[in-house]
Amino acid sequence: KNEVEQSPQNLTAQEGEFITINCSYSVGISALHWLQQHPGGGIVSLFMLSSGKKKHGRLIATINIQEKHSSLHITASHPRDSAVYICAVRSTGNQFYFGTGTSLTVIP
Amino acid sequence: KAGVTQTPRYLIKTRGQQVTLSCSPISGHRSVSWYQQTPGQGLQFLFEYFSETQRNKGNFPGRFSGRQFSNSRSEMNVSTLELGDSALYLCASSLATPGYSPLHFGNGTRLTVT
Repeated sequence: KNEVEQSPQNLTAQEGEFITINCSYSVGISALHWLQQHPGGGIVSLFMLSSGKKKHGRLIATINIQEKHSSLHITASHPRDSAVYICAVRSTGNQFYFGTGTSLTVIP
Repeated sequence: KAGVTQTPRYLIKTRGQQVTLSCSPISGHRSVSWYQQTPGQGLQFLFEYFSETQRNKGNFPGRFSGRQFSNSRSEMNVSTLELGDSALYLCASSLATPGYSPLHFGNGTRLTVT
């Protein structure tokens, strides 16, 4: 059983659409990270959350600690948002667990 | 401000050999963590260092080791390479307490074992 589950695995959207990626986890956590990986391998940290909600530009991340669930929303999606989005958690046991990623393609 | 630098970018080794990868964190960052990424297993946590001390370790065999120097630069070593060690190895640095500040990733070292 994976400690972190993401859905969907693949997502295709039209430019301008509102996108939601979900992440559920089964361990106690101290922090949850949303990461973006473009082809070629480079990873960028989008958000680090331990509670509530954070917003950066068109991206919004929320977390519900009681339900062990987080969502990443992209408003007004753009082709440059095409990437793999990865949910990662730091457990209270100081281990990192990663979801398998959501591959997003935004079509102009 | 320079980002996280990993060297080399690409490496080809033969089964049975050993390899050392290097990671220079962002200036002022004291925490460095290492990850392995493969198509089959995705991203997996290797280990984490803070102020030259290994703080925690993932579920990898003892062939995988690392260290951190006083200037926060870190190296990881893989001995007796196996074909399954072929992967993208990523390091990340963070400012302070490990895992409680955002991670800044390097571009990775792509290791191929033949």
